[in-house]
Amino acid sequence: QSVLTQPPSTSGTPGQRVSISCSGSRSNVGTNTVYWYQQLPGTAPKLLIYGNGRRPSGVPDRFSASKSGTSVSLAISGLRSEDEADYYCVTWDDSLNGYVFGTGTTVTVL
Amino acid sequence: QVQLIQSGAEVRKPGASVKVSCKVSGSSVTEASLHWVRQAPGKGLEWMGFFDPEDGQTVYAHEFQGRLTVTEDTSTDTAYMELTTLRSEDTALYFCAMIIQYEIFDLWGQGTLVTVSS
Repeated sequence: QSVLTQPPSTSGTPGQRVSISCSGSRSNVGTNTVYWYQQLPGTAPKLLIYGNGRRPSGVPDRFSASKSGTSVSLAISGLRSEDEADYYCVTWDDSLNGYVFGTGTTVTVL
Repeated sequence: QVQLIQSGAEVRKPGASVKVSCKVSGSSVTEASLHWVRQAPGKGLEWMGFFDPEDGQTVYAHEFQGRLTVTEDTSTDTAYMELTTLRSEDTALYFCAMIIQYEIFDLWGQGTLVTVSS
């Protein structure tokens, strides 16, 4: 059972803004950098957000991240059909001495 | 262009072991730490452990302690993940991933499906 909690699913219509939360604790989200991945079925995850909200080359600025205490959020603005996927947060946990992934959130574009 | 190329699908019986390989093409296996992540069917991502080439140490997630061994062969630039005492819950897609540029797993293999079934 993951120590990072995400909502199982969220949805929106094209053009809308959706947000995905990732709730942890002081030993993980509260202390360390949180990263975000997008995963399409049967494929390897794709890095969306790293190091304090930065995006790798090629990731559109429709994706953004924020942090408040022991929770972080990924926002997708101007929702598009190709954004329909699973999204995961991940960070290092100082107590567990390892990386921990969030439970994952499925985004559906209506 | 650096790529991670994993070995093919495996089928094992409960109690057996499996060894999955991950070849680093276009670079060296010692270039960066190589991690293992798995995903059971319909489930989320689960970090398993990694080999740190800087100090030669391995770090394993608690739930895999005693069953997981991660090694590297620098002569062939290939990393290996061996999981023993397999059970049905170990049926999953196993990924290798490296931290190259973005401080986290930014290069992934294609995944290796391991099926544990009697």
